[in-house]
Amino acid sequence: DTAVSQTPKYLVTQMGNDKSIKCEQNLGHDTMYWYKQDSKKFLKIMFSYNNKELIINETVPNRFSPKSPDKAHLNLHINSLELGDSAVYFCASSQVGPLAPEQFFGPGTRLTVL
Amino acid sequence: GESVGLHLPTLSVQEGDNSIINCAYSNSASDYFIWYKQESGKGPQFIIDIRSNMDKRQGQRVTVLLNKTVKHLSLQIAATQPGDSAVYFCAEKGAQKLVFGQGTRLTINP
Repeated sequence: DTAVSQTPKYLVTQMGNDKSIKCEQNLGHDTMYWYKQDSKKFLKIMFSYNNKELIINETVPNRFSPKSPDKAHLNLHINSLELGDSAVYFCASSQVGPLAPEQFFGPGTRLTVL
Repeated sequence: GESVGLHLPTLSVQEGDNSIINCAYSNSASDYFIWYKQESGKGPQFIIDIRSNMDKRQGQRVTVLLNKTVKHLSLQIAATQPGDSAVYFCAEKGAQKLVFGQGTRLTINP
């Protein structure tokens, strides 16, 4: 009965490879997000989708391509991985509307690029 | 632009004492603020929120204070317990997104 789930939890890969991270939420929320957390714990939004439509793209390199097959899923595909992509990536979801902007976060995916 | 900052990156308190974590924000138009707790190896977890039309809000052992005059937010944790050890983030609601502060690591001394 996990609210927001991500797979895999850990991902170790070589530079130049392509990898994907999957996210699913069972909260019935309309909006989903991807965040990147660096080694200093700084948490920065990358993308947000509302009902499968891209709402926010925070100047993320186009090597990162989010895909939302339905409003319960938001996957993140990364091409040509670079050392600087190493971080923890968090998926989150929230309901639409000014009264409930609270976001619920997944457990994170630790990506290590060698 | 928007930015949310914290006065102290680390805070160490004795078990049983009260903890106060501070946060400064820059966008005076923000109308909603949240505190999150992130334990090691986990995602951020909602603690408490406050809207800009309030000065104070209390939860279970936690209180958030908002001072709009100086654009300052604080989280008070009463009778700090070992389970409170975590990184705490403040966040403000911007245009269609939350802007997170740097984070404060709270450690509890026995």
